[in-house]
Amino acid sequence: GQQVMQIPQYQHVQEGEDFTTYCNSSTTLSNIQWYKQRPGGHPVFLIQLVKSGEVKKQKRLTFQFGEAKKNSSLHITATQTTDVGTYFCAGMESGASGSRLTFGEGTQLTVNP
Amino acid sequence: DGGITQSPKYLFRKEGQNVTLSCEQNLNHDAMYWYRQDPGQGLRLIYYSQIVNDFQKGDIAEGYSVSREKKESFPLTVTSAQKNPTAFYLCASRRTGTYGYTFGSGTRLTVV
Repeated sequence: GQQVMQIPQYQHVQEGEDFTTYCNSSTTLSNIQWYKQRPGGHPVFLIQLVKSGEVKKQKRLTFQFGEAKKNSSLHITATQTTDVGTYFCAGMESGASGSRLTFGEGTQLTVNP
Repeated sequence: DGGITQSPKYLFRKEGQNVTLSCEQNLNHDAMYWYRQDPGQGLRLIYYSQIVNDFQKGDIAEGYSVSREKKESFPLTVTSAQKNPTAFYLCASRRTGTYGYTFGSGTRLTVV
């Protein structure tokens, strides 16, 4: 089955520094989604990327989808304490039984003020 | 406000007992999903359902069972056959044709 790998597992930054997490899939993805989970909370949908080479921005967050549609990245510029949490990528599989997401292991971000 | 409700928030179970986790949504979403999350790990798919009265096994279905008798409800039963049931269980839903999943706030199950 599809496997989604994410690195790094942990990242500690000083407030104001940039942060990047990378996601790689064992198979070509139809699309990739990104979620954020605050400590003690549940995952919240951030964005979906569909097209090869696609780049999307949400304020200080920049999301990229690789040309081969097998990798993706999330970059946060000038981190703030509100960015603390675990960021997950998830690849979508579609088949006869419907669609399902396979999640990466996540990158846990801590921001020192 | 529409959303997904999972209950209870915390659940303690004695070894050898079955327990059922509730998941209810009023978003009119067609698809529903159960994921398990262990500390420091990602989400692993247990079961999912695209329509009423139909569901499919995910990657770690052994020791779990589900039902989908109503569109709004997708309860998960953790049976005594599940070897290591202590975990954080997340229910999610998605409307057909839309993008992201909407997650419930989760149930933390502890086997004592």
